[in-house]
Amino acid sequence: SAVISQKPSRDICQRGTSLTIQCQVDSQVTMMFWYRQQPGQSLTLIATANQGSEATYESGFVIDKFPISRPNLTFSTLTVSNMSPEDSSIYLCSVGRDRRENTEAFFGQGTRLTVV
Amino acid sequence: GQSLEQPSEVTAVEGAIVQINCTYQTSGFYGLSWYQQHDGGAPTFLSYNALDGLEETGRFSSFLSRSDSYGYLLLQELQMKDSASYFCAYKSYQKVTFGTGTKLQVIP
Repeated sequence: SAVISQKPSRDICQRGTSLTIQCQVDSQVTMMFWYRQQPGQSLTLIATANQGSEATYESGFVIDKFPISRPNLTFSTLTVSNMSPEDSSIYLCSVGRDRRENTEAFFGQGTRLTVV
Repeated sequence: GQSLEQPSEVTAVEGAIVQINCTYQTSGFYGLSWYQQHDGGAPTFLSYNALDGLEETGRFSSFLSRSDSYGYLLLQELQMKDSASYFCAYKSYQKVTFGTGTKLQVIP
């Protein structure tokens, strides 16, 4: 298993500001993933973060809005930039095992963001 | 495109059995997983089907039919604590894609 510490757990932010979310894993992993979950909805993948390279963003998400850092194999940050009320959501980081046949994904407890 | 469709809500009585269905459309499919998420919590892994058939883990069972692009999660002896959202998911190239999710309400 993997233990993921994510912080902050929640925040209320003013529109136009930025928030950086941190994710720390207790073991080295090749890939880390960032998801967004809007209230009552499913999880949507924002991007995949690899150590030493630029993150890979999913359709509808761009680096200017959601810059990601991955300085080492146990840590990543997601920044939500120039926030608007539409960014109010839960943001979760996730890791999986590096072998294709191991499908279990582990999640941080999430960051509940409210933009006012 | 890639998608996994589930019923949005299901209500069942404590002690009963409930089935949550998942139909999917994807390429590069390695198997179907199920996750549980309580309100305010993180998703937690329940089960995985790599092959067709039924996998049983305690009160929970999961089924997969690749030919039908269909799977389901079966919850037996329902308990109030099973009230949660349930997501089917598949993993492709390390990425996990989640279904639309089913909110299960267990009533006394």
